[in-house]
Parts: sequence; structure tokens; C-alpha cells
Amino acid sequence: KNQVEQSPQSLIILEGKNCTLQCNYTVSPFSNLRWYKQDTGRGPVSLTIMTFSENTKSNGRYTATLDADTKQSSLHITASQLSDSASYICVVSDRGSTLGRLYFGRGTQLTVWP
Amino acid sequence: EADIYQTPRYLVIGTGKKITLECSQTMGHDKMYWYQQDPGMELHLIHYSYGVNSTEKGDLSSESTVSRIRTEHFPLTLESARPSHTSQYLCASSSESVLAWSWETQYFGPGTRLLVL
Repeated sequence: KNQVEQSPQSLIILEGKNCTLQCNYTVSPFSNLRWYKQDTGRGPVSLTIMTFSENTKSNGRYTATLDADTKQSSLHITASQLSDSASYICVVSDRGSTLGRLYFGRGTQLTVWP
Repeated sequence: EADIYQTPRYLVIGTGKKITLECSQTMGHDKMYWYQQDPGMELHLIHYSYGVNSTEKGDLSSESTVSRIRTEHFPLTLESARPSHTSQYLCASSSESVLAWSWETQYFGPGTRLLVL
């Protein structure tokens, strides 16, 4: 069964600290993996998209890694800011058909305290 | 910031009422989607459209219906709202691409939070 599991479910850190969010997936065949940021009361916004040949990709203070062999991804946030408080969603796409279905994780709720 | 809009942002309505959730985008995207998201849960695709007069049901069974008469407009309708329809509804769109559909970045609207009493 194709699934996307994220951990931890929630995380509280102090402003300025680093943190790492995890994503494990069983989606096969694999096409790409994306990380989205969803602020409370808003729609998700894309942070990164990675294919199986990419090990790491950065977007400002956000760095995503991908290990296609172990089917794991992580999102590392450096020097956290209050505005980083949000839900971070891992999304995996298969290539089983031209439709390329998306599988969503439940997200990690990150809270940054001052 | 993506140019995709949803109205209303919040809606509280009684059981049995007919409601329409509006979604519009000004990016000229051919593909549009409706997702349902409960608190702490993953997004579930309930409807999608590849263009005008094209609508398909998504992965999650839904009692709602959609229409796509104009490229920029993709409304979702519930003929008779029930408490089980209480949820957040997110609209998204993506552009035509020479790559496979699975590579397109979806741009999401702010969502409509629906409460059915």
C-alpha cells in the first residue's frame, strides 16, 4: 500500500534553533517528492521538489534531503524564525500512470517559540 | 503568492442547505483540483479538471459535484449539506507542462472552512 509517514507529528523549538523533520514513504514506482509549508488558515506552498537522482536541495534556510534507496526524506530548517511556525507536508508522486497520483503525509506541526 | 482565490473563507450552515464553494484563478492554468482536509490529517483529492468541460472524481468519494464552464472558475457544490461534510476544502491549480502531470507544482488557495450544524 502506497503511504507517506511523517515524524514527529508535532515539534516545539526555540527561535534560532535548528530542526529536522522526517518523511518515510512506500510509494512505488517513485517519481518525485515535494515538501510543502502550510500556514494556519492558508493553503500549502511548495518549498522543494526532488527526483530520485537528487540527494539534497536547498531553498533559503530550508534544506531537503532524499535517499531513494531507503525511501526517506528529511527537511532541515536552519536558524528557525517565528514565521516558520506551520505544518510541513511531505508529498510523494508515483509514475504509475500519466496521471501521476500524489500521496500526502499528515504533516508535522512546527511551533517556534520566542 | 499564487493568484488563486476561494470564497467564502468560513461558512457555518445548517443541515440540508445547498452550498457552493467558489474557486477562481487568474494564472490561466488548465488543471484545477479540489481537496478535503480534516485537522491533523492528509489532504484528499475529491475532484479535478483538466480543462473546460472536463471534470473527474478524485481518490476520496465525495457527495459534492463540480463544474468547469470557464478556465478560471471551478466551483464545488453540495446539494444538501450534512454535519459529516464539516471540513476544510482547498482548491488548487497547476499549469500545462511538457513534463508529466506529476511534476507540475500545484498552487493552493487559502481554503474554505465549512461547519455544518
